[in-house]
Amino acid sequence: KNQVEQSPQSLIILEGKNCTLQCNYTVSPFSNLRWYKQDTGRGPVSLTIMTFSENTKSNGRYTATLDADTKQSSLHITASQLSDSASYICVVSARRGSYIPTFGRGTSLIVHP
Amino acid sequence: GAGVSQSPSNKVTEKGKDVELRCDPISGHTALYWYRQSLGQGLEFLIYFQGNSAPDKSGLPSDRFSAERTGGSVSTLTIQRTQQEDSAVYLCASSSHPARYGYTFGSGTRLTVV
Repeated sequence: KNQVEQSPQSLIILEGKNCTLQCNYTVSPFSNLRWYKQDTGRGPVSLTIMTFSENTKSNGRYTATLDADTKQSSLHITASQLSDSASYICVVSARRGSYIPTFGRGTSLIVHP
Repeated sequence: GAGVSQSPSNKVTEKGKDVELRCDPISGHTALYWYRQSLGQGLEFLIYFQGNSAPDKSGLPSDRFSAERTGGSVSTLTIQRTQQEDSAVYLCASSSHPARYGYTFGSGTRLTVV
């Protein structure tokens, strides 16, 4: 069964600090992995997309890594800002079959001033 | 339009009533998904439309839920005889090529059944 597990479930950090969110998956055969940011009351917005051959991808202060061998991904946020407070969702798609991705439950990040 | 539009943004209904939720995908996007997000929970897949193919309804929780997509564009999610456990945010997403480009989500419809 395809599964995506995220940790931690929630995280509180001070403004300006860095943090790393984790995503472990069992989706097979792997196609791609995306990280989404979901602000309260809004739909998820894509941050990065990573395919099998990519190890690292950055988008501003967000850097995602992917280890396809261990089936793990991380999202590193540098110099956090108050606006980073949101839920971060890991989404993994399979290479064959239906294009229905598997969503993680998300990590709720709160950045305090 | 520039993004995925959902309406209404909020809906309060009485238990037992029927509701219709609407999704306007990005023009040209052939793939359309409906998801449900309960408070503090992850996204739960409901139904997937791809072009003119038969929809994948494997996520619909009961026969009270149905969805249609007219002309390959606008989609309507209908919930009949609503129950309190149907209260959630219903999100719609569309894509031109899910594997390559991912999905664009709407802001959702917050449904409250009282």
